[in-house]
Amino acid sequence: DAKTTQPPSMDCAEGRAANLPCNHSTISGNEYVYWYRQIHSQGPQYIIHGLKNNETNEMASLIITEDRKSSTLILPHATLRDTAVYYCITTGNTGKLIFGQGTTLQVKP
Amino acid sequence: NAGVTQTPKFQVLKTGQSMTLQCAQDMNHNSMYWYRQDPGMGLRLIYYSASEGTTDKGEVPNGYNVSRLNKREFSLRLESAAPSQTSVYFCASSELGQGAGDYGYTFGSGTRLTVV
Repeated sequence: DAKTTQPPSMDCAEGRAANLPCNHSTISGNEYVYWYRQIHSQGPQYIIHGLKNNETNEMASLIITEDRKSSTLILPHATLRDTAVYYCITTGNTGKLIFGQGTTLQVKP
Repeated sequence: NAGVTQTPKFQVLKTGQSMTLQCAQDMNHNSMYWYRQDPGMGLRLIYYSASEGTTDKGEVPNGYNVSRLNKREFSLRLESAAPSQTSVYFCASSELGQGAGDYGYTFGSGTRLTVV
């Protein structure tokens, strides 16, 4: 299963875009990239996922590089409620979500 | 509301006691999962059930057993609790069993277990 590497923490000003990077250099062709977030030790919440193409939904955008070795989650207008731990996860051949340490995003007023 | 329901929300056990954590989902998902999360760490997969009638070990299965009672319910049992099992336990479900699909996994709100 591909491993992911994320910075342990990031800050973002409220109202600005938050760009969270993720490296997954060993990802294979059929592995999806998923992003989840966890707020205050609640259950993780699905944000977005993609395979090759860039994706956008009501919460965020996902930009995947052409070689698929890295991706960026974009929260276009971060709010204080977006303060959370963000996990970038690849599913691997088993399809199971294997979590890493994630990035703690602190949105500041 | 549709989702994953876990019971109990909090539990304190003495070392050596046993207990079962319950999980139920009402989304008609095929696959269900149990994770644990230790302080400051990411989630680790304990056991999963790809479909009704099947169960498989995850990353950290030692000290646990599971039962997929029916399509809705997936329980986690600690036969002889140890302090190292103090953790937050999350149950999740997914539609396709491959982690793919429109919404990936849906997680419950967790069971906070302390073993003293």
